[in-house]
Amino acid sequence: GENVEQHPSTLSVQEGDSAVIKCTYSDSASNYFPWYKQELGKRPQLIIDIRSNVGEKKDQRIAVTLNKTAKHFSLHITETQPEDSAVYFCAANSGNTPIVFGKGTRLSVIA
Amino acid sequence: EAGVTQFPSHSVIEKGQTVTLRCDPISGHDNLYWYRRVMGKEIKFLLHFVKESKQDESGMPNNRFLAERTGGTYSTLKVQPAELEDSGVYFCASSQGRRRLAFGSGTRLTVV
Repeated sequence: GENVEQHPSTLSVQEGDSAVIKCTYSDSASNYFPWYKQELGKRPQLIIDIRSNVGEKKDQRIAVTLNKTAKHFSLHITETQPEDSAVYFCAANSGNTPIVFGKGTRLSVIA
Repeated sequence: EAGVTQFPSHSVIEKGQTVTLRCDPISGHDNLYWYRRVMGKEIKFLLHFVKESKQDESGMPNNRFLAERTGGTYSTLKVQPAELEDSGVYFCASSQGRRRLAFGSGTRLTVV
């Protein structure tokens, strides 16, 4: 089955700097890669997703990149703000299988 | 639109007791999922319903866990008898297709 590895487990950045979270997956059949953000005490929320026919996707200050050959994908947050502090989860699936999540990255943005 | 609701939000029970968690998905979402997160680890898949049918229960840890989805609406997850290792946050999620899951706020289960 699919296995998703996520790094780093914790990340601290100064406000205004960029943050990058990296994930790898094992199943070459995976073709959908969502990212979820979980703020303290709240539910995980989908913030961006990418399908395997696209190499990069942007939405304001966040972007995801996908390298199918290397089986890795990344989340980039630019101009970080304190409200970006949260746990971020990457995930992958092939459509017919359950979405498999990574272990999460706790991002702290220091004002 | 109401989101996915779960209750209770917290439950503390003794080892050997029974606990039932409930999830109300977003109306019209045929797909309903249960996941669990143990501290510091991944959000791990437990099972998937399509309407009232179990589509995939490969993630259920053992036969102490029983999930049902009455009439394709709300779902319950019962743990009987609970063990210490069952502690964690149990998330329910629903979706129209099999992607873009909408999560509930979770039930934090502590078995002491």
